[in-house]
Amino acid sequence: NAGVMQNPRHLVRRRGQEARLRCSPMKGHSHVYWYRQLPEEGLKFMVYLQKENIIDESGMPKERFSAEFPKEGPSILRIQQVVRGDSAAYFCASSPGQRGAEAFFGQGTRLTVV
Amino acid sequence: KQEVTQIPAALSVPEGENLVLNCSFTDSAIYNLQWFRQDPGKGLTSLLLIQSSQREQTSGRLNASLDKSSGRSTLYIAASQPGDSATYLCAVTPQGAQKLVFGQGTRLTINP
Repeated sequence: NAGVMQNPRHLVRRRGQEARLRCSPMKGHSHVYWYRQLPEEGLKFMVYLQKENIIDESGMPKERFSAEFPKEGPSILRIQQVVRGDSAAYFCASSPGQRGAEAFFGQGTRLTVV
Repeated sequence: KQEVTQIPAALSVPEGENLVLNCSFTDSAIYNLQWFRQDPGKGLTSLLLIQSSQREQTSGRLNASLDKSSGRSTLYIAASQPGDSATYLCAVTPQGAQKLVFGQGTRLTINP
């Protein structure tokens, strides 16, 4: 039973380019969460998705950031026109969805904007 | 707004010692509390999950307690080993939300 899979593990983008981060949840999990960890800071919630639905995007910056979890395929976190301040580790977690269920995290994607 | 605080921010102890990491949260209305381990440059590994109705959970040398009314949790590590060196993160799931609120973590170093 593979865990939460994120790719790529490392991503380098020039300022102004687009970054696409992918997350495949654990088998049987239909709930996906994205978190961001800025250098020397704690993890901050960004968005919570179920298949084809955004449930809570209260932690997502209003501009340039978007997320989706299509019926088929992985969840995608997209950052348009990246800036240096977007450099961070982005983690995806999944759970079966019941309240109080344990969340399992992927290895993260480390985005560097140059 | 739920806030989670972990003290100390860093801790260095000799191998073999028993130690306690502390976590406090401002709002007792939570579904659960989870302790994670994060190695440098790596992802998060879930260590223990305590539901709001529980008082403690144990896994091997690890024991986590939860006092919801006072907004506190402790992670007890027995007979520490150099391999325990990592950052330990505490996170709560607030009631009415389906997300984790994290503390800043405690960076633990076990010296051989």
